[in-house]
Amino acid sequence: NAGVTQTPKFQVLKTGQSMTLQCAQDMNHNSMYWYRQDPGMGLRLIYYSASEGTTDKGEVPNGYNVSRLNKREFSLRLESAAPSQTSVYFCASNQRGREAGANVLTFGAGSRLTVL
Amino acid sequence: GIQVEQSPPDLILQEGANSTLRCNFSDSVNNLQWFHQNPWGQLINLFYIPSGTKQNGRLSATTVATERYSLLYISSSQTTDSGVYFCAVVGFGNEKLTFGTGTRLTIIP
Repeated sequence: NAGVTQTPKFQVLKTGQSMTLQCAQDMNHNSMYWYRQDPGMGLRLIYYSASEGTTDKGEVPNGYNVSRLNKREFSLRLESAAPSQTSVYFCASNQRGREAGANVLTFGAGSRLTVL
Repeated sequence: GIQVEQSPPDLILQEGANSTLRCNFSDSVNNLQWFHQNPWGQLINLFYIPSGTKQNGRLSATTVATERYSLLYISSSQTTDSGVYFCAVVGFGNEKLTFGTGTRLTIIP
């Protein structure tokens, strides 16, 4: 049981380049999330997907796009990377509901992105 | 949106000491979780605790929803407890977890 898997773990981009961060979960969760973590600022939500086929903006969506490819996979794309997007990106998932164990957020290991 | 404040921002303790971390939130919540981020960056869920008290080994948490705060207790600290502890909440009518800025705990041998 791998949980939440993110790729790549590290990436260096030049300003203006594009890239996609991949995320997959094997827990049959409905909801998936992308966060970014910057020093001293905790985690901020970029986009989330409450269920397959839906996506919604979070707190800091500008400069990003997402795709909920299927129930397992949720990708984050930077179309034209900027130095301000240098950060650590985390994918997470949960199963929202009232049953035991619901709502608990499970995180991937993170992807460290540097934009020069 | 809902505001989440954690205190203290930094805490340095000797191994074996006890600690209390606090999370205040600005509105009613239907979801509150505590996470530990270890020095390698991995985020692990500790508790899902929108109200009441839970215990897991040396860790316990209490949320007093009516007074809009939650406490995380760590007893007999070990060096492996070092890292950043985050509180995250979801307000009623919302779907998104909002994180606090965390408490950095350093346990000295």
